[in-house]
Amino acid sequence: DTAVSQTPKYLVTQMGNDKSIKCEQNLGHDTMYWYKQDSKKFLKIMFSYNNKELIINETVPNRFSPKSPDKAHLNLHINSLELGDSAVYFCASSQGERGQIFEQFFGPGTRLTVL
Amino acid sequence: QQQVKQSPQSLIVQKGGISIINCAYENTAFDYFPWYQQFPGKGPALLIAIRPDVSEKKEGRFTISFNKSAKQFSLHIMDSQPGDSATYFCAARHKAAGNKLTFGGGTRVLVKP
Repeated sequence: DTAVSQTPKYLVTQMGNDKSIKCEQNLGHDTMYWYKQDSKKFLKIMFSYNNKELIINETVPNRFSPKSPDKAHLNLHINSLELGDSAVYFCASSQGERGQIFEQFFGPGTRLTVL
Repeated sequence: QQQVKQSPQSLIVQKGGISIINCAYENTAFDYFPWYQQFPGKGPALLIAIRPDVSEKKEGRFTISFNKSAKQFSLHIMDSQPGDSATYFCAARHKAAGNKLTFGGGTRVLVKP
């Protein structure tokens, strides 16, 4: 299946721990994104990478660090987890415009719960 | 500061009825306005989109109306079906800012049979 995949789907951890979420896309896209969706469903961009280069870096705590080993992968590492980091994190990818359509393809999400 | 404001937060409509969701934006640099549909436990998926040089776009039962002077746009779902029950997000793209999408707060739509 061609898609954006994320692992793990669920992540439950204690405050203060460090954790990583992995994302892979096999769509051949050159841009990947991380979004955070909070408990009220509000969806906010965190980062984007284009061909391994950081393009969008929103105001997020520097405990969050994205890493793109290649254009098909974008991982998110979170240090010193806090209660407020509990959310669903979505990875997405895109490839410019095709026939005037610009579409970001989203992964299934990773539900992070910090206890 | 919420650059894209969406209303209502939730909506209940009878099967066969019309669902209407409204969005307003502030930044005139936005150049593309998609709507995404999200089912529980899934990621958002593109539903329909419009550019600011067009006042209306229709795809099947879904229509976007766009008012550039008022900086407002809306999604109409005609003949709503129970399978349309989902959360809908409007969004606005800033191409020069790395194709950044700014999303509205979402509208949870429930279609009753």
